[in-house]
Amino acid sequence: ILNVEQSPQSLHVQEGDSTNFTCSFPSSNFYALHWYRWETAKSPEALFVMTLNGDEKKKGRISATLNTKEGYSYLYIKGSQPEDSATYLCAFIDNQGGKLIFGQGTELSVKP
Amino acid sequence: NAGVTQTPKFQVLKTGQSMTLQCAQDMNHEYMSWYRQDPGMGLRLIHYSVGAGITDQGEVPNGYNVSRSTTEDFPLRLLLAAPSQTSVYFCASSTTGKGGYTFGSGTRLTVV
Repeated sequence: ILNVEQSPQSLHVQEGDSTNFTCSFPSSNFYALHWYRWETAKSPEALFVMTLNGDEKKKGRISATLNTKEGYSYLYIKGSQPEDSATYLCAFIDNQGGKLIFGQGTELSVKP
Repeated sequence: NAGVTQTPKFQVLKTGQSMTLQCAQDMNHEYMSWYRQDPGMGLRLIHYSVGAGITDQGEVPNGYNVSRSTTEDFPLRLLLAAPSQTSVYFCASSTTGKGGYTFGSGTRLTVV
């Protein structure tokens, strides 16, 4: 069973703070690592898909890095805004098939 | 372009009844998956498919059946509904595991 873990489980920050979350995954048989943003009462939306060791992706104030050798990825949010409040999910897929396994998510709350 | 369409949006079943949750996508995606979302458990993979005629079990397959006779459709069947299957169900699809998944809007199922 693939084990994908995220930390912290929840995070409360003030508007303007920068923050980061961690996703750890199996370092063997790596295929891809996904990040999703999930707002309450909506469906998850893809942020990044990362496939190469050392990958860095950026979308606006959000960026992510990937280390496949040690099995972790970081998601960074610079200058958090209230609209960034959501649950951030990472998901791992190995090279044995099409199983996309999710971590339990980090719930971010940004207070004005 | 409708994306991923799930029906119904809400359903109440009695214990022992059967039903099929429908999922259709119009993006010609090969990969399709079913997840259930429970409080504190994140998204757990029920079944997945990497193409028409190919299905496999995920993390929590017991009590559910799937088939994939066409690229577009991936129905999820509950044969004998149980209260433990009360959950929100999401269908998702992708071109491959290296592409971000597009999620449907979810089906909220209550088994009484």
